[in-house]
Amino acid sequence: EVQLVESGGGLVQPGGSLRLSCEASGFILGSYWMHWVRQTPEKGLVWVSRIKGDGSETTYADSVKGRVTVSRDNTNNTLYLLMNSLTAEDTAVYYCAKGGTVYSVPLDCWGRGALVIVSS
Amino acid sequence: QSALTQPASVSGSPGQSITISCTGTSSDVGGYNYVSWFQQHPGKAPKLVIYDVSNRPSGVSIRFSGSKSGNTASLTISGLQADDEADYYCNSYTRSRTLVFGTGTKVIVL
Repeated sequence: EVQLVESGGGLVQPGGSLRLSCEASGFILGSYWMHWVRQTPEKGLVWVSRIKGDGSETTYADSVKGRVTVSRDNTNNTLYLLMNSLTAEDTAVYYCAKGGTVYSVPLDCWGRGALVIVSS
Repeated sequence: QSALTQPASVSGSPGQSITISCTGTSSDVGGYNYVSWFQQHPGKAPKLVIYDVSNRPSGVSIRFSGSKSGNTASLTISGLQADDEADYYCNSYTRSRTLVFGTGTKVIVL
């Protein structure tokens, strides 16, 4: 069974940093594009970033570019999202999602999400 | 990248059909056949119900169908059931090699 489990969420102060992890099981992580998507009640789902199976290509939404880094450790079946210079606008539930092999879509499996709260 | 435009809510009675629209531009919806639709029940993760405009993943009911015309994609749910009450989001690949989601639509089963 394909499964994604996010961890690393929590309360962080404005200007701080946080690293989210996404542990994958039930499939060969290195064969798939992976994505991060965040959600707030106000904005709904917002795409954040994607990374190719071998880690050779990454793309970011304009709202996080320069502050966020996506990476992966295929040997340990884990995807990461490092977020710096956090602001209240980064408060959200963060999901990791599995993409395709050749193409980065569709997002056919999602984790349950990790809540990040940016507040003093 | 601006969010794709969806109606805030759509309602229907059990057994009826409803259609949710998703309007973008030629740089996203109109330019690629990589439109997906997701169903999300409260407190749950999104679930893929349509991909590549009109394809259904294994296990998704045939009551869900998708289409596209120009810059607007559509999701139709036929034979509406109580469990279809949820939020629905469209998603498209874009010319900037990013993805963009729609604003989301709450489906209400009367």
